[in-house]
Amino acid sequence: AQSVTQLGSHVSVSEGALVLLRCNYSSSVPPYLFWYVQYPNQGLQLLLKYTTGATLVKGINGFEAEFKKSETSFHLTKPSAHMSDAAEYFCAVSVGFGNEKLTFGTGTRLTIIP
Amino acid sequence: EAQVTQNPRYLITVTGKKLTVTCSQNMNHEYMSWYRQDPGLGLRQIYYSMNVEVTDKGDVPEGYKVSRKEKRNFPLILESPSPNQTSLYFCASASATEAFFGQGTRLTVV
Repeated sequence: AQSVTQLGSHVSVSEGALVLLRCNYSSSVPPYLFWYVQYPNQGLQLLLKYTTGATLVKGINGFEAEFKKSETSFHLTKPSAHMSDAAEYFCAVSVGFGNEKLTFGTGTRLTIIP
Repeated sequence: EAQVTQNPRYLITVTGKKLTVTCSQNMNHEYMSWYRQDPGLGLRQIYYSMNVEVTDKGDVPEGYKVSRKEKRNFPLILESPSPNQTSLYFCASASATEAFFGQGTRLTVV
């Protein structure tokens, strides 16, 4: 069975500073990995995904993540935080052919300090 | 536009009164799922479906039922809701590379 661990349920960074949200996974087979963002009172929006190929993936809003198999990690980064990045972020892993079963981490709430 | 539509968005009900939350997708996906989101627990899968008439339990199926009679629809049924089912519910529709989520249904059982 797969699992996801997100380190830090709350992260605060200053506007303009680096954003780093940590995600480690466990899976017995090659996984698909995702980062989703949830703004207040909204659904989940896909930020980026890793399926196969290049291990550094770029997503929307300037975010990127690197799949490191040796470290079983898929950390999310953004070079310069913006006030609009304040939200909750979820890392997820899928091992199904159709992504019918996603296993999520417990989420990280990102606060941006002006 | 690719969409997953859930209804209702908000629902307050009483213990034991049967309810259904509808979910519809317009992407012709075979795979659909239901999740619940609770503070500190992230999203946990309730049920999923790999095609019409094919459903299976997720991680937290107790107290829920689903059906998949048509490809586009995947309703979630609570036969006898209890207060511990107060939560935010999401329906998802998935392709081979991505899952799309509805806007969520906030359910309160009193």
